[in-house]
Amino acid sequence: GQNIDQPTEMTATEGAIVQINCTYQTSGFNGLFWYQQHAGEAPTFLSYNVLDGLEEKGRFSSFLSRSKGYSYLLLKELQMKDSASYLCAVGSDYKLSFGAGTTVTVRA
Amino acid sequence: GAGVSQTPSNKVTEKGKYVELRCDPISGHTALYWYRQSLGQGPEFLIYFQGTGAADDSGLPNDRFFAVRPEGSVSTLKIQRTERGDSAVYLCASSLGVADGYTFGSGTRLTVV
Repeated sequence: GQNIDQPTEMTATEGAIVQINCTYQTSGFNGLFWYQQHAGEAPTFLSYNVLDGLEEKGRFSSFLSRSKGYSYLLLKELQMKDSASYLCAVGSDYKLSFGAGTTVTVRA
Repeated sequence: GAGVSQTPSNKVTEKGKYVELRCDPISGHTALYWYRQSLGQGPEFLIYFQGTGAADDSGLPNDRFFAVRPEGSVSTLKIQRTERGDSAVYLCASSLGVADGYTFGSGTRLTVV
């Protein structure tokens, strides 16, 4: 089975940086995913890490350490529209297992 | 189609009734998934189809839940004798493979009263 932990809530100021941590224990692994979910909407794909290291995509970066079972999502230059839930998900075999999500609130 | 389409977007039903939820995946995506999401939680896996067959239905909570995908495209999730605890958002996703991530539909919000 999968055990995926991430903080419940985080608050940050517009223009700032926020780092959302995710730790996982898994019986199989073929990638770590981050999804963004606005209230009342479907999750949308943000990033995918399968090898250790940092993947950068615009204002968003994601890091993975497979030996530590650890990932983080870094959101830079925060904008009000970044207020959402961020879901960490572990891929194993053919399916994803999701954490409960981290609600990020961006304040003006 | 351009995205994953789910219908209806909202469904209110009485306890004990039968409901069907429909998912139309992205054309060409052979993998189709059903998840259930309760308020404040992440999506919870229900069932996975590869083509027409249910490759993994280990997430279905009990035998009141059943899903089909007869032609390898559209899928229907069927819930018999609904209970109030079945109230949730039911999400469908399709994919070319896990490494490609999922594309989710907008979900069906099911409310059992």
